[in-house]
Order: sequence, then C-alpha cells, then structure tokens
Amino acid sequence: QKEVEQNSGPLSVPEGAIASLNCTYSDRGSQSFFWYRQYSGKSPELIMFIYSNGDKEDGRFTAQLNKASQYVSLLIRDSQPSDSATYLCAVNSVNSGYSTLTFGKGTMLLVS
Amino acid sequence: DAGITQSPRHKVTETGTPVTLRCHQTENHRYMYWYRQDPGHGLRLIHYSYGVKDTDKGEVSDGYSVSRSKTEDFLLTLESATSSQTSVYFCAISERETQYFGPGTRLLVL
Repeated sequence: QKEVEQNSGPLSVPEGAIASLNCTYSDRGSQSFFWYRQYSGKSPELIMFIYSNGDKEDGRFTAQLNKASQYVSLLIRDSQPSDSATYLCAVNSVNSGYSTLTFGKGTMLLVS
Repeated sequence: DAGITQSPRHKVTETGTPVTLRCHQTENHRYMYWYRQDPGHGLRLIHYSYGVKDTDKGEVSDGYSVSRSKTEDFLLTLESATSSQTSVYFCAISERETQYFGPGTRLLVL
C-alpha cells in the first residue's frame, strides 16, 4: 500500500509569515509530486508540481523535494488570509504502465 | 478550468437504489479518474480510465462500476447504494501526469 503522510493540522500562522507544509511518501519509485489547495466545499486546485530534487519557485510558493529522504514540502511566503485552506500533497505511482496519484489527507492552514 | 462538468451536483438517494454519476469533459483528454473524499480519509481513487472502454480499478473500487463509451464521458455507477457510499465524488482528467478536478458531486445515501 503506497502511503502519503501529512500532518492534519491545523497549522496556524500570522499574516505575512512563512507557512511550511510537509509531506512524506513511501513509494521510492515515485517521480512526480504535486501540491493542491482545497477550499472548504470546493474541488482541489493545482498549485504546483515538482519532478527534480531541490527547490522550485512560483510566485509566493516554493516546492522542495528530497527523494533520498522521500520528503516534499511547500513553503508559502507572505501568507495571506486567502491562503487559509487545506493543502493536499499527491505523489504519482505507476501501475501496469499507467500513472495514478496517491493523495495525503491534507494539512489545514489557517492564516490570521 | 479544464472543461470538466459533473452531474448531478447534489443527490439524495435511498439504500439499495442504483445511482449513476456523470463526468463530462470537453477537451478530449485520454485519462479520466473517479475519486471519493471523506473526512479522515482524504481523496481515494475509485476507478480510472485510459481510453474508451479501457478502465481499471483503484484503491476503493468495491461497490462501484464505471463505463466509458466515448472520450468525453466517464460514468460511475453504484449498483446498490449503501450508507457507507455517502461521500463527495470528484472526477478528474489528466494532462501528462497533472490532474485537474471537476466541481464534485455530493451524494447522501439514506
């Protein structure tokens, strides 16, 4: 059973601070890693993806990947109240030649 | 917006009745997915499709069947709904490996 683990939170940060969200995964063969944001009552929306070890920046968001440690993180700089949502980490797996995603249960972020 | 619609958006049904949820996409994506989302469990894959008439089971497929007779439509059927199938159901499509989600269907089985 492939697993993706996230702290459920809530993670509370003050407005303007950096929010750090973490995710670990069990499948060493995973090659693609995704962060989604989900507002209450809405569908998940893609924030960013990362394939290579290191950092990837997109605006206020930075994804960090360490395949050796099987660890993915998302940093949100200058956090805003509108960032308050649940953040889902997703990791790909390949079964019978087809790629599927396994999702973590999500971390709730509260910015106030 | 990846051109995904789901219908119905809300449904209340009774235990033992069949239910079909529809996912429709307008952009000719090959891969489509059905998930359910429940508190404490997150998003879990039910079934997926990699082309017309080509489908496979996901993590929680028991009690569900799917059909894909045309590229744009992926149907999820609960043959005999149970209260444990009360959930929010999301359809997704993928471009390469990135998945984009539809708006969801809230299903309540009484």
